[in-house]
Amino acid sequence: QVQLVEYGGGVVQPGRSLRLSCAASGFSFSDYGMHWVRQAPGKGLEWVAVISSDGGNKHYAVSVKGRFTISRDNSKNMLYLQMNSLRPEDTAVYHCANVHNDFWSGYLGYWGQGTLVTVSS
Amino acid sequence: NFMLTQPHSVSESPGKTVTISCTRSSGSIASNYVQWYQQRPGSSPTAVIYEDNQRPSGVPDRFSGSIDSSSNSASLTISGLKTEDEADYYCQSYDGSTQVFGGGTKLTVL
Repeated sequence: QVQLVEYGGGVVQPGRSLRLSCAASGFSFSDYGMHWVRQAPGKGLEWVAVISSDGGNKHYAVSVKGRFTISRDNSKNMLYLQMNSLRPEDTAVYHCANVHNDFWSGYLGYWGQGTLVTVSS
Repeated sequence: NFMLTQPHSVSESPGKTVTISCTRSSGSIASNYVQWYQQRPGSSPTAVIYEDNQRPSGVPDRFSGSIDSSSNSASLTISGLKTEDEADYYCQSYDGSTQVFGGGTKLTVL
């Protein structure tokens, strides 16, 4: 049974940093690209970042480029999102999801329940 | 960058058919796959259509997808509506540098 469990969210002041983690199980993690997608309270989905199965390809949304870094540790079946210089508009539930088929053109097959990040002073 | 525009909300009665549109602002809708996701209240999204018109395993054939190059849009059609179909639906596509979600459509089955 596929499981994606995010953690590391919380309340943080603007300008500070936070690192999110996503623990994967029930599938061959090293074979799948992985995305982070966020959803502000009461709002729609917003793509954040993607990483290929071997970690060699990474892409970011314009809104987070230069501030967020996606990474993975295939030996631990873990996905990460390092978030620096946080802004109030980064407040959202952050979901990790695996990509079926190609890491860029594929679809997000399994999603975690998400972890809430609140950026507020 | 491009945008995907969806109607804010649609409603229909059980047993009927509803179609949700997703219009791409720039670039050809046919050049990149469109996926559709269902998000029920309090739950994470799940894919209902991928690669324009393919259904993931377990998704009933009441769900279908299509693209229309003349209107540069994609559509999700749900037939034989059930109350359990009431949810938010998001289209998603990409270009060479970014992934984009539509703003979402709230489907009410009443």
